[in-house]
Amino acid sequence: QSALTQPRSVSGSPGQSVTISCTGTSSDVGSYNYVSWYQQHPGKAPKLMIYDVSQRPSGVPDRFSGAKSGNTASLTISGLQAEDEADYYCCSNAGRSGVFGGGTKLTVL
Amino acid sequence: QLQLVQSGTEVKKPGASVKVSCKASGYSFTGYYLHWVRQAPGQGLEWMGWINPNTGGTDYAQKFQGLVTMTRDTSISTAYMELSRLRSDDTAMYYCARDLGLEGAANYFFDYWGQGTLVTVSS
Repeated sequence: QSALTQPRSVSGSPGQSVTISCTGTSSDVGSYNYVSWYQQHPGKAPKLMIYDVSQRPSGVPDRFSGAKSGNTASLTISGLQAEDEADYYCCSNAGRSGVFGGGTKLTVL
Repeated sequence: QLQLVQSGTEVKKPGASVKVSCKASGYSFTGYYLHWVRQAPGQGLEWMGWINPNTGGTDYAQKFQGLVTMTRDTSISTAYMELSRLRSDDTAMYYCARDLGLEGAANYFFDYWGQGTLVTVSS
């Protein structure tokens, strides 16, 4: 199972919006709504930000939103804040396995 | 509160095995799948497999078939991941993570994570 494809880096200024894409295939992202997104700060464990394509766990700000079209999922962060600077990973069910994206480093300028 | 607490740092020689534990508290251990995810230094996340703590059933990523064994001890709410025939490229942080478990299935939504266990493989 190949990793999902994410841009290696994205950046934005405080208050702006950024979107991170996550491209898979018809065997994973395209076949299931089991797409999730994780935020990871250096030296910390990942944190669930979005699940089921677009659902936010309790405590996650509504500045974070998710969507999916075909084989590509996306995470949008609006009203960027300095604390959003982190690595972001998507994940999808791929039948009886899980597959992550390669990760995207978000820099808040 | 809900916690997953993992065992400490390990240093192993190539060819050896390592067994990492993950103790759950604050929720019904047998009610949620547990996954293992690893992250090599400076690299991304890699899914290794899951265990159903209720039944003991497992599913492993193809890459780890024959190398990894996931078990659990329900009496102490602890899951284990044993990786054998270690190589230098198995050097990584190993995490256990609870599955959100919508509809009682493995959804691959990891809502709680352990603190990680660093495994270093070096001669």
